Amino acid sequence: SQKIEQNSEALNIQEGKTATLTCNYTNYSPAYLQWYRQDPGRGPVFLLLIRENEKEKRKERLKVTFDTTLKQSLFHITASQPADSATYLCALEVTSGTYKYIFGTGTRLKVLA
Amino acid sequence: EPEVTQTPSHQVTQMGQEVILRCVPISNHLYFYWYRQILGQKVEFLVSFYNNEISEKSEIFDDQFSVERPDGSNFTLKIRSTKLEDSAMYFCASSLRDTQYFGPGTRLTVL
Repeated sequence: SQKIEQNSEALNIQEGKTATLTCNYTNYSPAYLQWYRQDPGRGPVFLLLIRENEKEKRKERLKVTFDTTLKQSLFHITASQPADSATYLCALEVTSGTYKYIFGTGTRLKVLA
Repeated sequence: EPEVTQTPSHQVTQMGQEVILRCVPISNHLYFYWYRQILGQKVEFLVSFYNNEISEKSEIFDDQFSVERPDGSNFTLKIRSTKLEDSAMYFCASSLRDTQYFGPGTRLTVL
């Protein structure tokens, strides 16, 4: 069955640097992959969706890439700020078109001032 | 900006009791979901709901769980006989298509 791995449980970086988070999946390539931000005790907040025919997507300081050959998505935050400190989750459909999703365990990012 | 709302924010119940968690999805959305997150663990899919019926459910969503959309706005999750291991945050989400918008969650504590 489809599995997601976010291979860094925690990542500390200095303010102003670029944070790069990784999401790997194991089986078939999904039609799209999503990234969410979650703050402690709060619900996930949607950030970006990237489709299988898109190599890269940007939104302000955020950039997502999707490599179906490597079965991997990278999530970048440029010019990181302490306010970017949160857990970042990737998610995808278990089987295309089912609207049944699995989430990764998340990467807890801490941006140090 | 429209948002998903959930009530109550915190529910404490005794083992074996029934609980109903309530959600008001975004009004023009078509798909509705329940997820749970045990403290310190990942977000887990429970069920999706479309066109007034369950679309998909996970292994977690057994006979103790049920969902309902009793009117045009509310979406509820009922746990018939709660167990200690049901203690978690329960998130409702809705989507028009593939982008899900999550509510703030209900923290369920089973004693």
